[in-house]
Amino acid sequence: DQQVKQNSPSLSVQEGRISILNCDYTNSMFDYFLWYKKYPAEGPTFLISISSIKDKNEDGRFTVFLNKSAKHLSLHIVPSQPGDSAVYFCAASEVWDMRFGAGTRLTVKP
Amino acid sequence: DAGITQSPRHKVTETGTPVTLRCHQTENHRYMYWYRQDPGHGLRLIHYSYGVKDTDKGEVSDGYSVSRSKTEDFLLTLESATSSQTSVYFCAISESHEGYNEQFFGPGTRLTVL
Repeated sequence: DQQVKQNSPSLSVQEGRISILNCDYTNSMFDYFLWYKKYPAEGPTFLISISSIKDKNEDGRFTVFLNKSAKHLSLHIVPSQPGDSAVYFCAASEVWDMRFGAGTRLTVKP
Repeated sequence: DAGITQSPRHKVTETGTPVTLRCHQTENHRYMYWYRQDPGHGLRLIHYSYGVKDTDKGEVSDGYSVSRSKTEDFLLTLESATSSQTSVYFCAISESHEGYNEQFFGPGTRLTVL
């Protein structure tokens, strides 16, 4: 069973606008949530994370929001840039056990 | 970039043949992981290692074995490859195994089993 779900396989936004990527999880024991970015033919790279005791973490253009009651997190990218076009994976960890979502392909159009 | 290499980067093999994938790191990180990436599933953990000769199973370990004889090398073996093992395989490393657990990934190995 998938404990981490990204229900939108793809998202297309205009350059300069906001990109919002969503992720839902089922396991209430997850204590850290992470976002990874992946370009074609490369491995995923870490983008931003949030502890389960927080509800928001910001790093430059990237902000992650966590709603524990809804078991939902989202990644906001503002403003979106063409270089942000990639596949974004949501991940959730409980100690060593990290579970990934299926990914959302973001396309930022110039 | 974290020093992680994977070899080979691409491999085509036939059903029933053994296959070994290699992950090599220069970061001296204690923890190493093997994942497979498949459409609709994201990345799924196959096996991980928490030290030399210390390994454990992940979510999708059936049909795979691993070995770690040196800190820097983590090998993934498919004893008898099947078509369902066609996938992209990623190795990852991390310093910490608990809490904030950023992992650094290698470039991946694309394996095709005919």
